[in-house]
Amino acid sequence: AQSVTQLDSQVPVFEEAPVELRCNYSSSVSVYLFWYVQYPNQGLQLLLKYLSGSTLVESINGFEAEFNKSQTSFHLRKPSVHISNTAEYFCAVSLDSWGKLQFGAGTQVVVTP
Amino acid sequence: KAGVTQTPRYLIKTRGQQVTLSCSPISGHRSVSWYQQTPGQGLQFLFEYFSETQRNKGNFPGRFSGRQFSNSRSEMNVSTLELGDSALYLCASSLTGSTNQPQHFGDGTRLSIL
Repeated sequence: AQSVTQLDSQVPVFEEAPVELRCNYSSSVSVYLFWYVQYPNQGLQLLLKYLSGSTLVESINGFEAEFNKSQTSFHLRKPSVHISNTAEYFCAVSLDSWGKLQFGAGTQVVVTP
Repeated sequence: KAGVTQTPRYLIKTRGQQVTLSCSPISGHRSVSWYQQTPGQGLQFLFEYFSETQRNKGNFPGRFSGRQFSNSRSEMNVSTLELGDSALYLCASSLTGSTNQPQHFGDGTRLSIL
């Protein structure tokens, strides 16, 4: 069985400090990996994706994630957070199954001044 | 380009009733997936439709059903509502539903059961 584990349910962080959100997956086959962000009363927005190629993927708004096959991880990082980054972040795996994402439990990031 | 549109945004129903939720995918997207989000269970996959056919189904009871129309718009129906059906229902679309395509989500329909 495949699963996605987000190791931290909540991460408090000060503004302009770095943050890392951890994600591990278990799968015996190749997977595609995604990070989504959810703001209150909204749906999920795609932050970045790993499909193939370079193991380091970056988003246009300063997030990056590194795919590590040996550790089956896909951790998300941001060098300097802003108040507006307060949100819930979900790691997701796309398995060998039409239109189905398997999500982690989510990590709530709370940025304070 | 317009995003995924879900209607209505909020619904209040009572136990035993039924409800229909609507989803319009991004133009050109033919795959529509549905998810249920609750504080206790998180995000769970309900089903996926492509070309008016259900191709994939999650582990939900038969009270949960859906359909897709020729213009790729999709509806989800829940019959005989239970208190535990209170949730945010999210719809997502992608071009073909292949595993290497990211899904784009709507803002969801928040369903409350009294």
